Order: sequence, then structure tokens, then C-alpha cells
Amino acid sequence: GENVEQHPSTLSVQEGDSAVIKCTYSDSASNYFPWYKQELGKGPQLIIDIRSNVGEKKDQRIAVTLNKTAKHFSLHITETQPEDSAVYFCAASDFSGGYNKLIFGAGTRLAVHP
Amino acid sequence: GAVVSQHPSRVICKSGTSVKIECRSLDFQATTMFWYRQFPKKSLMLMATSNEGSKATYEQGVEKDKFLINHASLTLSTLTVTSAHPEDSSFYICSARDIGSAGVSLNEQFFGPGTRLTVL
Repeated sequence: GENVEQHPSTLSVQEGDSAVIKCTYSDSASNYFPWYKQELGKGPQLIIDIRSNVGEKKDQRIAVTLNKTAKHFSLHITETQPEDSAVYFCAASDFSGGYNKLIFGAGTRLAVHP
Repeated sequence: GAVVSQHPSRVICKSGTSVKIECRSLDFQATTMFWYRQFPKKSLMLMATSNEGSKATYEQGVEKDKFLINHASLTLSTLTVTSAHPEDSSFYICSARDIGSAGVSLNEQFFGPGTRLTVL
């Protein structure tokens, strides 16, 4: 089955700086890689995703890059704002067992300081 | 679009009682819903995959007789924690996967707001 590792576990940046979170996955068959933002006491919110036939995707201040050869993908947040502070999870699709599910990384706690 | 609701948002119960949590997809149909458990400052742990009209598929180590899942319609799945004990206290989150306009399941999962269960 799939295994996803996420780094760093915590990240502290100044407002306006960029933040980068990196994930690696183990199963070369995985083809879908979403990123979720979770605020305290709430459910995860999908912020961006990328499929294996694309190398990069951007949505305003958020971008995701995928390197299939190296089996890693990254989340890039530019011009960070205090409201970006949250826990971010990466995930990869897992087709083992005959059905599609997501395997999540351990999460990154991002703190953006004014 | 793609809104998933959960009810209740918070529940406190006595040890030995059963608790039912509902997960609804409000503006789309979902043949597949997922139930996760999350401990404080930890990642999401998949408990089971709920398929409409069939039995749920449980992850290894999850007791199916303790965590009963029913997915009776394309918009509703329920998780019942039976004979709850303090160690069952946790944040339970469901997600739903859109069936897609062409009737083909997409990969995207949309999450509910979660239910915090406290067992005294």
C-alpha cells in the first residue's frame, strides 16, 4: 500500500514570506495528490490538487508541483497571511485492496506571524 | 458546491451507550463516503469506506461490530459507535466522493466539519 511522508512538521514564517511543504510517496501507481487545510476544530478543506499527468498547478497564491520520477510533491504558498495559519495535510491516492482511498501525511502546522 | 455536513458537531455520552453520527452530502451524490478518526495533533486515520447499498470496508484493526456503518442512500452515511468507552473519545470526520456528472467517481473527497465525541 501507499505511504506518505510529510515535512516539516511545523513551519513558522513572517507575513509576506513564502512557505513550502514537501511530501514523498511510495507507490508509483498513485495518480492523485490533494492538499488539505485544517483549522482548529474543523474538518479538512481541499485547497488544491494535482494529477499525475500534470507537473505543476497554480491557484492564486497557492501552487503545487509534482515530480513523478522522484515521487515527491510540494505545496507552495506565496505572500503568506496570518489567516494561512493552520495545519496542512498532503495525501496520495491508494488503489491497493481493490478500491480507491487517500493516504494522508502526518501534517504540517504552519504559523504565519504578523 | 461540494458541501458535506455532519450531525451532531459535538456529543457527550456515558460509557456503555451508543452514539450515531450522520454524514450528508448536501449538493451532490456520493456512492462512496469515508469515515476517519483524528486524535489531537495527529493525522487522519481512515476507519472504513462506506459504499451505498453494500457493506462497508473496514481498515485493519478497526472493529466492525463496534463501529457500525450504514450507507442507505447516495447522500447519507451513518457511523454508530456501539457501547462507547472513554478510549473512543475522538474527533470523527467523514468525507464524500462526488459521483461526477458523467456517473464516474472522481478522486476528490470533500470533508465534513467533524464530530467531537467525548465518552465519560
